[in-house]
Amino acid sequence: DAEITQSPRHKITETGRQVTLACHQTWNHNNMFWYRQDLGHGLRLIHYSYGVQDTNKGEVSDGYSVSRSNTEDLPLTLESAASSQTSVYFCASSESRGTYNEQFFGPGTRLTVL
Amino acid sequence: DQQVKQNSPSLSVQEGRISILNCDYTNSMFDYFLWYKKYPAEGPTFLISISSIKDKNEDGRFTVFLNKSAKHLSLHIVPSQPGDSAVYFCAASAFETGNQFYFGTGTSLTVIP
Repeated sequence: DAEITQSPRHKITETGRQVTLACHQTWNHNNMFWYRQDLGHGLRLIHYSYGVQDTNKGEVSDGYSVSRSNTEDLPLTLESAASSQTSVYFCASSESRGTYNEQFFGPGTRLTVL
Repeated sequence: DQQVKQNSPSLSVQEGRISILNCDYTNSMFDYFLWYKKYPAEGPTFLISISSIKDKNEDGRFTVFLNKSAKHLSLHIVPSQPGDSAVYFCAASAFETGNQFYFGTGTSLTVIP
């Protein structure tokens, strides 16, 4: 069965460290997204990609970067982790750029920055 | 600025009764709306959607209503079951912004047996 996976599921790091969160989908979807979930804010879009070599900034992109070298993966990098980036991170994918497509979410990565 | 709002952080309902979750939006360009359900330690899962050309969409126990003039949508769950206890997010998108979703802050539903 097709799926979307995230690793690690839990991560503790220190302020200033570089951290990369992995996202892998086997749906063969063109679109991939990264969100963070925080109490009182719901899900906020960090970065997204509509295909290989395409990346775009979302609502809360400062301090994060992504790159898309193949269809299956969209790793999220925190260049220099800050305590404000402690959050639960979700990756999602969808089939095409058309509006009427649901997004499929991964199980999430809980990141703690000390 | 939050473009999609869920003003009730939590809701408790007796098993068998109706649950009504509400969502308001500000961007009149939104033309597609979805509800996602999220259990603890899991990712959100798609529940039901509606396009702006409709005012109602039904799927089993779940019905979504859209009032475009009021920029308001609601999710009705009838009858509510204990397994429905979860956090519910509404989301909205506009054709002009591709497949970007704007999510509300979520409503935690508890169905009491």
